[in-house]
Amino acid sequence: QQQVKQSPQSLIVQKGGISIINCAYENTAFDYFPWYQQFPGKGPALLIAIRPDVSEKKEGRFTISFNKSAKQFSLHIMDSQPGDSATYFCAASSTGAGSYQLTFGKGTKLSVIP
Amino acid sequence: KAGVTQTPRYLIKTRGQQVTLSCSPISGHRSVSWYQQTPGQGLQFLFEYFSETQRNKGNFPGRFSGRQFSNSRSEMNVSTLELGDSALYLCASSFGQVGGTQYFGPGTRLTVL
Repeated sequence: QQQVKQSPQSLIVQKGGISIINCAYENTAFDYFPWYQQFPGKGPALLIAIRPDVSEKKEGRFTISFNKSAKQFSLHIMDSQPGDSATYFCAASSTGAGSYQLTFGKGTKLSVIP
Repeated sequence: KAGVTQTPRYLIKTRGQQVTLSCSPISGHRSVSWYQQTPGQGLQFLFEYFSETQRNKGNFPGRFSGRQFSNSRSEMNVSTLELGDSALYLCASSFGQVGGTQYFGPGTRLTVL
């Protein structure tokens, strides 16, 4: 049972464009939603994270939008650059239940073309 | 500050063998989590250790086990290897608080022939 659904699987964006990746979750106990970036040959690295008490969080060119009622959250990458080309994973955790486990989406491979 | 290190980086084994992977967390981190990454299933949680105690376990068979030492270093063991165990095994460390940032190592690429 996939508890976090991520789309699209792959995304091609022109340099300077906006990249948008969406995730939906089923478990209402999830209360921590991080996004990870993974380059080939490397482990995932935390980009930005949000909790359900806010609807949006911005860090530089990266913004998370969160819709609690729809159980959806998304990552927006503004002014996308070729260096942003990587695989992005959304994740969720139920910290209120004392869980240390991250449940990941299947990933989105982003290619930013010059 | 040194990041999470995993050894070995690459490993080739045959079916039926067992394997041990090692993870050294970031200095000061007391929690170590293990994940399996495959193209088909993505990233899946194996287990998490804090101060030598397993706190969380994912939905994997008993062939997958782990342990943590007093210096926070961790090992995971897979016995009776199957072809489907071929994957990238990632270790992540954190200070151990719920919802704390997990820092991933580069992973160990295991190939089972």
